[in-house]
Amino acid sequence: GNSVTQMEGPVTLSEEAFLTINCTYTATGYPSLFWYVQYPGEGLQLLLKATKADDKGSNKGFEATYRKETTSFHLEKGSVQVSDSAVYFCALSMNSGGSNYKLTFGKGTLLTVNP
Amino acid sequence: NAGVTQTPKFQVLKTGQSMTLQCAQDMNHNSMYWYRQDPGMGLRLIYYSASEGTTDKGEVPNGYNVSRLNKREFSLRLESAAPSQTSVYFCASSDRSQGTYGYTFGSGTRLTVV
Repeated sequence: GNSVTQMEGPVTLSEEAFLTINCTYTATGYPSLFWYVQYPGEGLQLLLKATKADDKGSNKGFEATYRKETTSFHLEKGSVQVSDSAVYFCALSMNSGGSNYKLTFGKGTLLTVNP
Repeated sequence: NAGVTQTPKFQVLKTGQSMTLQCAQDMNHNSMYWYRQDPGMGLRLIYYSASEGTTDKGEVPNGYNVSRLNKREFSLRLESAAPSQTSVYFCASSDRSQGTYGYTFGSGTRLTVV
């Protein structure tokens, strides 16, 4: 079956530090890949996505590149802010029959950024 | 604001009680989903509805039932709540023609079973 593995947290950084959260996936076929962010007490929000190999998704200073050869979609940001403190989920979407798509999530990585 | 609305936001149940979690979306999406989120487990799919009139089991369906009342609404029912069902429940929707665009999530229902 499909699965997503992301680095376990928690991750604690100082403001303006460089962030990498690793994500690898297993899937039959060619999934679309996503990063979602969950701020404290809220639901999940789509942060960025990539739908085919070598695509780069970007948003709010975050980037991730779809690497088919290494089945990876690592999240990066050059300079984190306190407001980036949240839980980050890597996910993949595959067609599960007909035109239906299901998301498979990693377990999430808690990021805390200190001033 | 357009999106996915879940009610209630918080609920405490006693073991054996029943309740229904409500979810409604106003984006004319075809597919709707129920997930539960537990510490260290990420999000796990309970049930989903690919389109109005259909429902299917996800990864952890035991102890739950669902109803796709119409295109907008997808409810999750706990017939006899157990402490193991203490969790945060998220409803989500997607347009099946835009499967590459991911989901829109509600803000969650925090359920405690004592």
